[in-house]
Amino acid sequence: RKEVEQDPGPFNVPEGATVAFNCTYSNSASQSFFWYRQDCRKEPKLLMSVYSSGNEDGRFTAQLNRASQYISLLIRDSKLSDSATYLCVVNASLNSMDTGRRALTFGSGTRLQVQP
Amino acid sequence: ETGVTQTPRHLVMGMTNKKSLKCEQHLGHNAMYWYKQSAKKPLELMFVYNFKEQTENNSVPSRFSPECPNSSHLFLHLHTLQPEDSALYLCASSQDSRPGALVYEQYFGPGTRLTVT
Repeated sequence: RKEVEQDPGPFNVPEGATVAFNCTYSNSASQSFFWYRQDCRKEPKLLMSVYSSGNEDGRFTAQLNRASQYISLLIRDSKLSDSATYLCVVNASLNSMDTGRRALTFGSGTRLQVQP
Repeated sequence: ETGVTQTPRHLVMGMTNKKSLKCEQHLGHNAMYWYKQSAKKPLELMFVYNFKEQTENNSVPSRFSPECPNSSHLFLHLHTLQPEDSALYLCASSQDSRPGALVYEQYFGPGTRLTVT
């Protein structure tokens, strides 16, 4: 099983639509979760961190379900400029002394195409 | 945005060449990373440096050699590469990434698009 799994898409939605992405992770000890956005041939950029209580930033809402080991990203009122690949990112346990997994693990990404 | 810069942005090199990629971060971070992103594949972590010390080498071939002279600069020295090494090489930085510390978000540079001929 992959450490971080995402539906690759593409998700093709009209402007103004609401779209949701899910991501599952395999390490139950994971403590930090993020959503990044990556435009074609560009670097990933942090979209938002994901907190246990869920968090919202404008049209974007992130949720974490530890019991089921998945995180979600909801985008409301989609804009053309939201077209990108959305990367789910997870890290290993805070208490781990294994220096081998202190960095973030990236999913393959879900591609979103918002159409006029 | 100029928090993390990388040079060169594009590089074409032959299999017998030696070249170096440079990364510089202006964010006051203590951890720096090299990632490789091949077409239609997820980011692959290559190396991690914390406070100038290498804390992870993710089974990277020896033809890739990192160097971190200080917390703000990171290099990736390349020699005798193979065509399959052609990819986007991304540098990132974050706050402390040592065991026991919180894990912080990472900020990426624009990458170096490498083509090995």
